[in-house]
Amino acid sequence: AQSVTQLGSHVSVSEGALVLLRCNYSSSVPPYLFWYVQYPNQGLQLLLKYTSAATLVKGINGFEAEFKKSETSFHLTKPSAHMSDAAEYFCAVSPPSGNTPLVFGKGTRLSVIA
Amino acid sequence: GAVVSQHPSWVICKSGTSVKIECRSLDFQATTMFWYRQFPKQSLMLMATSNEGSKATYEQGVEKDKFLINHASLTLSTLTVTSAHPEDSSFYICSARATGGMVNEQFFGPGTRLTVL
Repeated sequence: AQSVTQLGSHVSVSEGALVLLRCNYSSSVPPYLFWYVQYPNQGLQLLLKYTSAATLVKGINGFEAEFKKSETSFHLTKPSAHMSDAAEYFCAVSPPSGNTPLVFGKGTRLSVIA
Repeated sequence: GAVVSQHPSWVICKSGTSVKIECRSLDFQATTMFWYRQFPKQSLMLMATSNEGSKATYEQGVEKDKFLINHASLTLSTLTVTSAHPEDSSFYICSARATGGMVNEQFFGPGTRLTVL
């Protein structure tokens, strides 16, 4: 079975400050890992994904995440927060094959303070 | 590429009526589609897995007679909320897995906001 834990349901940062959203996973097989962003009343937009290639993954909007097997983590970072980054962020895990759906974390709401 | 649409984007209906939500993969074929439900300020809850040409697989606790899912083609799955009640009000999101594409990558629709009065 797979699961994802997102530490912190709400993170608040100042504009221009580092963004760090935490995600830890549990998986019995090498996982695929994803970060999605959701703006109010919208669907999910893929930020980045890890699929067993490079452990440092760069995504859209300046976000990146590093897969650390020893820590079972896939934290999302951005060097400098922008007001437009305020949204809900979801980490998700899946096995690399099969028709199984993604397993989502509970989400972290990011607020950016001017 | 890999665009998933949902229609309608929002719907308001009276209690007791049925509502159909469509999920379409616009530029790829999807053997598998997933339906999720999201309550305010919460994560996505998987409702069912829909495979083209076969019956949907429902998650525990989801009423299959209440939430009818049909996946009649490789580009269309529908979710019908039958005899809707106010507690069915929610944000419904579908996702589609591409046939022959990157294994187990899913593409999400924009969601449908259902409000039952």
